[in-house]
Amino acid sequence: QIQVVQSGPEVKKPGTSVKVSCKASAFTFSNSAMQWVRQARGQRLEWIGWIVLGSGKTEYAQKFEERVTLTRDVSTGTSYMELRNLRSEDTAIYYCAADKGGFDVWGQGTMVIVSS
Amino acid sequence: QAVVTQEPSLTVSPGGTVTLTCGSSTGAVTSGHYSYWFQQKPGQAPTTLIFDTRKKHSWTPARFSGSLVGGKAALTLSGARPEDEADYYCLLSYSSARPVFGGGTKLTVL
Repeated sequence: QIQVVQSGPEVKKPGTSVKVSCKASAFTFSNSAMQWVRQARGQRLEWIGWIVLGSGKTEYAQKFEERVTLTRDVSTGTSYMELRNLRSEDTAIYYCAADKGGFDVWGQGTMVIVSS
Repeated sequence: QAVVTQEPSLTVSPGGTVTLTCGSSTGAVTSGHYSYWFQQKPGQAPTTLIFDTRKKHSWTPARFSGSLVGGKAALTLSGARPEDEADYYCLLSYSSARPVFGGGTKLTVL
């Protein structure tokens, strides 16, 4: 049974970067991807991007493509999302979801607060 | 970027049937959009109910089903239960490979 565990909450200052990790257990990288989504308080879900875990190929939402980088570490089964040049509007819960074709299992979410 | 639209809110009686829809600003939603449906309860992460228009995960209750209706993706709940009260989001994939979420539907079971 796939389980996805994300890193803990972060508080960051504007202009800095944050890196959120996501570890999926009982989950093989082959034929799989990791989706990244965020949700500001009371707002809709917002797709950030995805990474194909076998090849490392990425695709980003146009809104984020200049500030976000998705990576993965095959040896540890961990995926990462780095968001740079943070602004207050980036305050949100960030989710990853292990995807074997069906956006299968979501992580618990990571709260990122951007505040001076 | 395409705009994906959902009903902001719907109400269903316990035991009743309700259909949530998901439209695209680019035209009719087809099987090529591989539509997804997610359920999110307050304070919780979303869970995926439906993928690829009508496929279910092992954990998806049988009372939920996905389809295409009138040029839109649809999620039908038959036999609503109080625990189905939640926000429901659809997601459409586009040829650009950049999927877009709808604004969500707040479903009340009352």
